[in-house]
Amino acid sequence: EAGVAQSPRYKIIEKRQSVAFWCNPISGHATLYWYQQILGQGPKLLIQFQNNGVVDDSQLPKDRFSAERLKGVDSTLKIQPAKLEDSAVYLCASSPLPTGGSSYEQYFGPGTRLTVT
Amino acid sequence: AQKITQTQPGMFVQEKEAVTLDCTYDTSDPSYGLFWYKQPSSGEMIFLIYQGSYDQQNATEGRYSLNFQKARKSANLVISASQLGDSAMYFCAMRFSNSGYALNFGKGTSLLVTP
Repeated sequence: EAGVAQSPRYKIIEKRQSVAFWCNPISGHATLYWYQQILGQGPKLLIQFQNNGVVDDSQLPKDRFSAERLKGVDSTLKIQPAKLEDSAVYLCASSPLPTGGSSYEQYFGPGTRLTVT
Repeated sequence: AQKITQTQPGMFVQEKEAVTLDCTYDTSDPSYGLFWYKQPSSGEMIFLIYQGSYDQQNATEGRYSLNFQKARKSANLVISASQLGDSAMYFCAMRFSNSGYALNFGKGTSLLVTP
């Protein structure tokens, strides 16, 4: 079974530029998450989708970040314009729909390391 | 407020020894799940072990076990017979029943296994 795919793996941009990240979840996983992991910290949820609907985007800085999951499969996360503090690793994760008694752990992709100069 | 605390920024352990990584949490929600993830230098988060708040027995997965003390709100990870490949960052995380199943992570503990 293929894991969660993300691209690009690394990106360097200047502040005020825009950038987009792509995620392809594990086949059949209904739920997709985007996390931001700043150096020295644990991941922080940015947005959660179930199928193609948003479940939680309360921590997404909506003035500059946007995300979509068309057709309930792939997802893109965009930053426009980027700021220095956006330098971080952006992790995508997916999980199946929860069923009773299951841990339904999240499976993570390798992440995209963004450096904003 | 729901909070995860990992008080050990870094830990050392000798190969083949056991090590305990601490995690405490704060929640008033009676239903929650506790996870431990490993993050090697490659960056990918690897799921290790899960404990549900209503589970009666402590979870075990191979060399990993979770010392779950509900009254003390702690969920420490025990790694037995450490291997050099265990060197990595370790994150404790919680999932809350009313959070849409997203995870709330601690700051992590860096573990270094020495020969």
